Amino acid sequence: EVQLVESGGGLVQPGRSLRLSCAASGFTFGEYAMHWVRQAPGKGLEWVSGISWKSSNTGYADSVKGRFTISRDNAKNSVYLQLNNLRAEDTAFYYCAKAPGVTAGYFDSWGQGTLVTVSS
Amino acid sequence: QSALTQPASVSGSPGQSITISCTGTSSDVGSYNSVSWYQQHPGEAPKLMIYDVNKRPSGVSNRLSGSKSGNTASLTISGLQAEDEADYYCCSYVGSSTWVFGGGTKLTVL
Repeated sequence: EVQLVESGGGLVQPGRSLRLSCAASGFTFGEYAMHWVRQAPGKGLEWVSGISWKSSNTGYADSVKGRFTISRDNAKNSVYLQLNNLRAEDTAFYYCAKAPGVTAGYFDSWGQGTLVTVSS
Repeated sequence: QSALTQPASVSGSPGQSITISCTGTSSDVGSYNSVSWYQQHPGEAPKLMIYDVNKRPSGVSNRLSGSKSGNTASLTISGLQAEDEADYYCCSYVGSSTWVFGGGTKLTVL
């Protein structure tokens, strides 16, 4: 059974940094792309970033480009999202999702999310 | 990366059919068959319901179907059931390793 477990969320002040982690199990992690999708409380889904299975290809939403960095460690079956220079509008649940690729496909498994709250 | 356009809400009675539209542009929905649909119940993570425009993952009811014409994708749910009441989101590949979701549609089963 595919399991994705996010961690690292919390309350952080504007301008500060946070690192989210997503631990994967139940599938061959190194064969799939991974993505981060966020959802502000009571709002819709927003794709944030994706990384190919070999880390050779990454993508970012315009809203986070230059501030967020996605990475993965296939030996640890984990994907990460480094969030820098956080803003109030970054407050959201952050989900990691598994996908066949970065340039095509779909998000076929999701974690339960970790909440990031940016506030002074 | 402008969000795809979905109706804010749709409703139908049990047994009826409903269709949710998802309108993009020639740069996203119109250019790629990587269009997918997700169902989200309150307090839960999204769940993949349709991928590659019209394919259903294993375990998803055949009452759901997807289609695309030009820049608009559609999700149809036939034989509405109470359990179908949820939020639905479309998603499309946009190119350059980026993706965009629709604003979401709240489905109410009357």
